[in-house]
Amino acid sequence: EGQLVESGGGRVQPGGSLRLSCAASEFKFNTYWMHWVRQAPGKGLVWVSRINTDGNDTRYVESVKGRFTISRDNAKNKVYLQMNSLRVEDTAVYYCARGAPQGFDPWGPGILVTVSS
Amino acid sequence: SYELTQPPSVSVSPGQTATITCSADTLAKQYAYWYQQKPGQAPKLLIYKDSERPSGIPERFSGASSGTTVTLTISGVQAEDEADYYCQSADITVIDWVFGGGTKLTVL
Repeated sequence: EGQLVESGGGRVQPGGSLRLSCAASEFKFNTYWMHWVRQAPGKGLVWVSRINTDGNDTRYVESVKGRFTISRDNAKNKVYLQMNSLRVEDTAVYYCARGAPQGFDPWGPGILVTVSS
Repeated sequence: SYELTQPPSVSVSPGQTATITCSADTLAKQYAYWYQQKPGQAPKLLIYKDSERPSGIPERFSGASSGTTVTLTISGVQAEDEADYYCQSADITVIDWVFGGGTKLTVL
């Protein structure tokens, strides 16, 4: 029940910007908190950010504070991650996931972001 | 924030029982969640609220909590269970989330 698909990834130079999108379907999007999670090549999962149902309460992992902004458009069933001042260490597969008391489920297939000169 | 500590690797023979632990002081007060990730795939929820199993997850996967340690048990391990396993919990005061470092399960 529910599907998520990320888009907007790619290669960018250090200091550049990208905006990731996550399109949701087959569930009532505006009733769920949404999350972004990333995974650097060969590394573990790192929770990046979350947003509440109304979009007026957001949180970030310390390493992206001030550079990344999460937002959502409930009319379009989408959540976004604006990534500015990108660093080499932001290179990762980025996943969006639906949050609930029952855990993060489902997850999107992920989108690769490569920060390299 | 805080850290969730998992063993980097666990090995088990087919048909045996695999046990993966996750430790942190906050687990005494917060729920834990477990995810399975196979190469090239997105993580998949296995266990929520310490011991609840979502629909569609085989009964051989179970979770338990005791004090500051939570445990994922896989009974009758199958070759298809070879994957990375991550625990997760929340800092409920600010509603931030944390993942453990992951445990690679090898089926010998």
